[in-house]
Amino acid sequence: AQSVTQLGSHVSVSEGALVLLRCNYSSSVPPYLFWYVQYPNQGLQLLLKYTSAATLVKGINGFEAEFKKSETSFHLTKPSAHMSDAAEYFCAVSHEDSNYQLIWGAGTKLIIKP
Amino acid sequence: GAGVSQTPSNKVTEKGKYVELRCDPISGHTALYWYRQSLGQGPEFLIYFQGTGAADDSGLPNDRFFAVRPEGSVSTLKIQRTERGDSAVYLCASSILGENRYNEQFFGPGTRLTVL
Repeated sequence: AQSVTQLGSHVSVSEGALVLLRCNYSSSVPPYLFWYVQYPNQGLQLLLKYTSAATLVKGINGFEAEFKKSETSFHLTKPSAHMSDAAEYFCAVSHEDSNYQLIWGAGTKLIIKP
Repeated sequence: GAGVSQTPSNKVTEKGKYVELRCDPISGHTALYWYRQSLGQGPEFLIYFQGTGAADDSGLPNDRFFAVRPEGSVSTLKIQRTERGDSAVYLCASSILGENRYNEQFFGPGTRLTVL
């Protein structure tokens, strides 16, 4: 069975600092991996996705994530945090054998300090 | 183009009542998903439609929950005899399943259900 673990329900960084949000997955077969962002009172928006092409994936708003099979990780990073990045971030995994259901992590709330 | 829309945006009901939540997917998207998101948690899968049929309803918590998609477009999630524990944000997503072999789901803004 697939599962997703996001370390840290809350992450606080200063404006301009590096953002690192951690995601580890368990899957018996190569998965597809996603990061979604949810701004307050808004729907989930896709940030980026890994679909077995390049292991370093670039997304919107300056975010990127690297798929590391040996570590079963797909951590999300951004070199310099902006106040507008404050939101909740969800990592998710899907696989064709499970009807492409998205299995979600519990989310990490990113707090940006001025 | 228009995204996924959900109505109502907020629904307050009393324990024991019946509610219907509506989802309008992106035109042409064959797959439609319902999720439930409780405070401080990630979305929880409820049901998945491919076309008109429910391809996977394993996430529905009990028989009080039911969903339909009669014409392969709009879907309605129905909850009978609502309980306080049903309070959550109900999310709908749609996608195209095809040659791309991955499932980018596009989400609606959700319906916040509060059962008093």
